Amino acid sequence: QQQVKQSPQSLIVQKGGISIINCAYENTAFDYFPWYQQFPGKGPALLIAIRPDVSEKKEGRFTISFNKSAKQFSLHIMDSQPGDSATYFCAASVSGANNLFFGTGTRLTVIP
Amino acid sequence: EAGVVQSPRYKIIEKKQPVAFWCNPISGHNTLYWYRQNLGQGPELLIRYENEEAVDDSQLPKDRFSAERLKGVDSTLKIQPAELGDSAVYLCASSFGGSSTISDTEAFFGQGTRLTVV
Repeated sequence: QQQVKQSPQSLIVQKGGISIINCAYENTAFDYFPWYQQFPGKGPALLIAIRPDVSEKKEGRFTISFNKSAKQFSLHIMDSQPGDSATYFCAASVSGANNLFFGTGTRLTVIP
Repeated sequence: EAGVVQSPRYKIIEKKQPVAFWCNPISGHNTLYWYRQNLGQGPELLIRYENEEAVDDSQLPKDRFSAERLKGVDSTLKIQPAELGDSAVYLCASSFGGSSTISDTEAFFGQGTRLTVV
């Protein structure tokens, strides 16, 4: 059973465009929602994270939008750059980083 | 500051052979995790340690997998005997733990060990 469902599986965006990745969850006990970025041959690296007491968090070009009632959250990458090309994973957990449940990943390609 | 260090980076073994992975977490991090990442999938937790105690090993296939974290620092994950389906990337992560601030709960991942069982 997939605890966190992620879409799309792959995404191609023009340089300067907006990349949007969506995730949905069922477990209302989840209280920590991070996004990880993974380059080939590397481990996942935390990009940005949010707790359910806020609806949006922005860090530079990256924004998490969180809809608690719909049990959905999304990652927006503004002004996408070729260097952003990577696989992005959403995740969720109860009580911080303990036992993160990851989505299946989105392979983002930003074309120049 | 050094990140999470894992070794080896790659391992190819024949099925039924044993294999071991080693992880050195970030200094001062009390919590250590082992995740398995199958090709094209997100990581899945195998075991979580708080210091030297395994506090969540519900997803660890205990018939063939074992782990230890002696002295609450380094950790070793072992598979014996390995099966073809064990081919995956094994990721170690660590976090500070013990705090409610979002930054202190961040899990830092190592580069992983890519295991191929033939």
